[in-house]
Amino acid sequence: AQSVTQPDIHITVSEGASLELRCNYSYGATPYLFWYVQSPGQGLQLLLKYFSGDTLVQGIKGFEAEFKRSQSSFNLRKPSVHWSDAAEYFCALTSSGTYKYIFGTGTRLKVLA
Amino acid sequence: KAGVTQTPRYLIKTRGQQVTLSCSPISGHRSVSWYQQTPGQGLQFLFEYFSETQRNKGNFPGRFSGRQFSNSRSEMNVSTLELGDSALYLCASRLADNEQFFGPGTRLTVL
Repeated sequence: AQSVTQPDIHITVSEGASLELRCNYSYGATPYLFWYVQSPGQGLQLLLKYFSGDTLVQGIKGFEAEFKRSQSSFNLRKPSVHWSDAAEYFCALTSSGTYKYIFGTGTRLKVLA
Repeated sequence: KAGVTQTPRYLIKTRGQQVTLSCSPISGHRSVSWYQQTPGQGLQFLFEYFSETQRNKGNFPGRFSGRQFSNSRSEMNVSTLELGDSALYLCASRLADNEQFFGPGTRLTVL
């Protein structure tokens, strides 16, 4: 069965520190993978996506993610976190020909000044 | 281009009532999906419409239904509301590939 796991429910980092949010997936074929960010009371904004090709993808707001097929992972990284990055982050997957996204449970990021 | 819009943004209903939520996709997008977001269950897929046809459905009871109009606008209806239906309902639209764009959501509170 398809699934997305975000093992960290909460993460706290200091402003300026580096960040890595983990995402593991279970899927029989190559998935399409996404990272979304959600600020309180808001919808989801797409940070980046992986469909195929280069396994290191760049997104908005200085985020990047690396697809590792051998580890079934798609971790999100940022070299220097800003206070405005505090939000909830969701990893999601879908696949070609299906129309249903599967989301992870989210990781809430807190940024200390 | 205007983004995905959802109306109303906030709604309060009582148990047993029914509710209709509306979603206007990005211009040119023909696919509209609906999701329910709750603290306990996270983001769960409800259904997806494309060219007025439901293409996929999540694991929700029949009280949850939807439709899509010829202009791609979509509505979602929940009948006989239960307390557990309190949630943020998100709509997303998509063009050709699998990248979805989400609206701000409708916050439904059932009393």
